[in-house]
Amino acid sequence: SSELTQDPAVSVALGQTVRITCQGDSLRSYYASWYQQKPGQAPVLVIYGKNNRPSGIPDRFSGSSSGNTASLTITGAQAEDEADYYCNSRDSSGNHPYVFGTGTKVTVL
Amino acid sequence: QVQLVQSGSELKKPGASVKVSCKASGYTFTSYAMNWVRQAPGQGLEWMGWINTNTGNPTYAQGFTGRFVFSLDTSVSTAYLQISSLKAEDTAVYYCARDHSSSWYPNFDYWGQGTLVTVSS
Repeated sequence: SSELTQDPAVSVALGQTVRITCQGDSLRSYYASWYQQKPGQAPVLVIYGKNNRPSGIPDRFSGSSSGNTASLTITGAQAEDEADYYCNSRDSSGNHPYVFGTGTKVTVL
Repeated sequence: QVQLVQSGSELKKPGASVKVSCKASGYTFTSYAMNWVRQAPGQGLEWMGWINTNTGNPTYAQGFTGRFVFSLDTSVSTAYLQISSLKAEDTAVYYCARDHSSSWYPNFDYWGQGTLVTVSS
């Protein structure tokens, strides 16, 4: 299956901007979606498609894509944004429809 | 409002079976496929597969064939995950997630709260 690779951890100062990246061959053909997961909780969808936010997700979350890399940007990070973030895309290898990224732990300092 | 409510935690011995339920409400159950996602302790999310809630046809990811079975009871808007011949490495939280995906991107827009399955002698 295709792989989606993320940096294991990033940190950001309160109120600053952080970009989380996701790399994989399938991202040349498909958009990624992004999920936020806080400890002991289920994942929550924060971005899907080209750059769409579900209802209730703050506009400080945005998505972009270029080549084989998808990015999730948090502009003006808040303490409550500290969480694990996973990208998710379709699998272009044809073995099965979906694949998750390896996950990034975001720490807000 | 859309809700996916999963069954409670399970403690099973190796070799036993477990059946996890995911009851949907707030939408037409057969209008959206259902995905299953596994998260082992301290690990990332792993897509297990999905089931077409219209036809009941399941699709399993690599590594989830044979001992894993997805099923439905549309009369009660519930999806099920059954795991047989449990092994210690099956210890994980299992999530159901509604599929609102397009051809160009996935969109797991609602998730159950997760069910912890612990396999231990």
